Amino acid sequence: DAGVTQSPTHLIKTRGQQVTLRCSPKSGHDTVSWYQQALGQGPQFIFQYYEEEERQRGNFPDRFSGHQFPNYSSELNVNALLLGDSALYLCASSQTSGTYNEQFFGPGTRLTVL
Amino acid sequence: AQSVTQPDIHITVSEGASLELRCNYSYGATPYLFWYVQSPGQGLQLLLKYFSGDTLVQGIKGFEAEFKRSQSSFNLRKPSVHWSDAAEYFCAVGADTGFQKLVFGTGTRLLVSP
Repeated sequence: DAGVTQSPTHLIKTRGQQVTLRCSPKSGHDTVSWYQQALGQGPQFIFQYYEEEERQRGNFPDRFSGHQFPNYSSELNVNALLLGDSALYLCASSQTSGTYNEQFFGPGTRLTVL
Repeated sequence: AQSVTQPDIHITVSEGASLELRCNYSYGATPYLFWYVQSPGQGLQLLLKYFSGDTLVQGIKGFEAEFKRSQSSFNLRKPSVHWSDAAEYFCAVGADTGFQKLVFGTGTRLLVSP
């Protein structure tokens, strides 16, 4: 089992550009959550996808959008990049069931906005 | 809304000494509590979790944590620290909403001195 994988590892963009980050969940998992971790901070919840729909959203603007595919993989899109979007973006997968299930995190994508 | 406080930004411990990292949470119901560790440039690795039952939980790498409802705390401990334990440690709380969103503290950076 490869665990949660993310691509790319690093990315450099300029202000105003758009970026797409990708995540493949752990085998058997059907739910993907995205988190933003700014330097020196804890991860902040962006949104969660289940059954190809956004199920819950944190306090992030509409510039942040996502998608989940039938194979449960997911993309995070950020439009009109700002310098403040520079961060480590973490994907976490889990399995939705009747009880609380732990989230497994990927290694992250480091986004730098210049 | 749930929240997590990690009052110590940095902690320095001598190798072989004991360790305790503090975590206080705010949540109305019984929380789901987690400790994650993050090495520089890496994603998050789950150390241990508390869902219910025994309030003293054992984790990987010799870590343990104790849930104290009366103090709204979930402190992480290790009897003897190794140099490889130097990393950032995050406490997180999960809401019992079925959506499995995690709220993280700001982290505690552990430095291990020889």
